[in-house]
Amino acid sequence: QKEVEQNSGPLSVPEGAIASLNCTYSDRVSQSFFWYRQYSGKSPELIMSIYSNGDKEDGRFTAQLNKASQYVSLLIRDSQPSDSATYLCAVRVVYALNFGKGTSLLVTP
Amino acid sequence: DAGVIQSPRHEVTEMGQEVTLRCKPISGHDYLFWYRQTMMRGLELLIYFNNNVPIDDSGMPEDRFSAKMPNASFSTLKIQPSEPRDSAVYFCASSNEQGAYNEQFFGPGTRLTVL
Repeated sequence: QKEVEQNSGPLSVPEGAIASLNCTYSDRVSQSFFWYRQYSGKSPELIMSIYSNGDKEDGRFTAQLNKASQYVSLLIRDSQPSDSATYLCAVRVVYALNFGKGTSLLVTP
Repeated sequence: DAGVIQSPRHEVTEMGQEVTLRCKPISGHDYLFWYRQTMMRGLELLIYFNNNVPIDDSGMPEDRFSAKMPNASFSTLKIQPSEPRDSAVYFCASSNEQGAYNEQFFGPGTRLTVL
């Protein structure tokens, strides 16, 4: 079983701070990596994807990938209470996705 | 444009009963995925289809579970007989092979409770 590991949290950050979410994966041949956000009682929604080593920025979100270390991270700048959710890291395996169990983020006003 | 549609949204049944979950993927998408989510195990892939053909069903927990996709716009996941440990949220997702790198769009899910 290919593993995708995340700290379950909860990660608590004050409003306006940077939230840093981390993910490690075990399958070295993985090529595509995704961050999904899931609000309580809702379905996952894609917020970032990354395929190459380095950083990818989209608004307040930055995804970071280090394939040598098998490590993916998500930074959320200027965190807002509306960012409070569970963040799921996913790794592509052929055409399917292997998900981590998610990190719960709480942004306090 | 409608997203992935699932029905029912909630299902409560008794142990031993048959349960059928339904999914309509986004029009034009050629991949369909069934996932199960629980607190203990997270989001697990059960089975996925490409062009209505099952490609990988290694995640189906046991023979009580079966899935079909008779056409491009409809899929079912059936549990017979159901057991309390099947209680979970079941998600259907779809994607387009032409949409590079497999962005999957999830339906709202079916919350199944087996008493």
